[in-house]
Amino acid sequence: AQTVTQSQPEMSVQEAETVTLSCTYDTSESNYYLFWYKQPPSRQMILVIRQEAYKQQNATENRFSVNFQKAAKSFSLKISDSQLGDTAMYFCALTGAGSYQLTFGKGTKLSVIP
Amino acid sequence: EPEVTQTPSHQVTQMGQEVILRCVPISNHLYFYWYRQILGQKVEFLVSFYNNEISEKSEIFDDQFSVERPDGSNFTLKIRSTKLEDSAMYFCASSDGWVGTTEAFFGQGTRLTVV
Repeated sequence: AQTVTQSQPEMSVQEAETVTLSCTYDTSESNYYLFWYKQPPSRQMILVIRQEAYKQQNATENRFSVNFQKAAKSFSLKISDSQLGDTAMYFCALTGAGSYQLTFGKGTKLSVIP
Repeated sequence: EPEVTQTPSHQVTQMGQEVILRCVPISNHLYFYWYRQILGQKVEFLVSFYNNEISEKSEIFDDQFSVERPDGSNFTLKIRSTKLEDSAMYFCASSDGWVGTTEAFFGQGTRLTVV
């Protein structure tokens, strides 16, 4: 079984500042993929960033980057230059090779304050 | 931009009744999924569907649940005899490839309330 834990139910950040959301996971798979999804209020969940476990280089997508620590089973999301539109619920998720399912964490509600 | 559409947005049903949740995935996608989120809990995987059959299902997806792709556009989740604990937000998703390497696109969800 695989698990994903997000220990920060809520966070806030001032506009233009940097914030880091934490995620830890557990899996017995040797090959797996990690994701951060964002769900703005009353909107669909959308993929923010994806990391392949066999790649040592941390993924980046514009203002979003991850700190992937494989040995520690940690996968944090850093948002730089926070914008009001970043206000959302953020979910960390995991899937193993050959699996069709995403295993989600409980989510972190991020508020960007003007 | 293409998106996954779910109807209705909110459904209230009596305990013991059958309910069908509807989803229109993105048109060229081949993989379809249902997830649910009980209030305050994690988003949980229910089932995935590929090539007109279930490819994977969770322990939650027992005999009271079924999925169908009745035509080329819709993907439905049927709950045969609803229980109070089925109250949750149900999310449909679709992808054009395996979920590890391609993005899964989610609908806005259907909030099911069983009374």
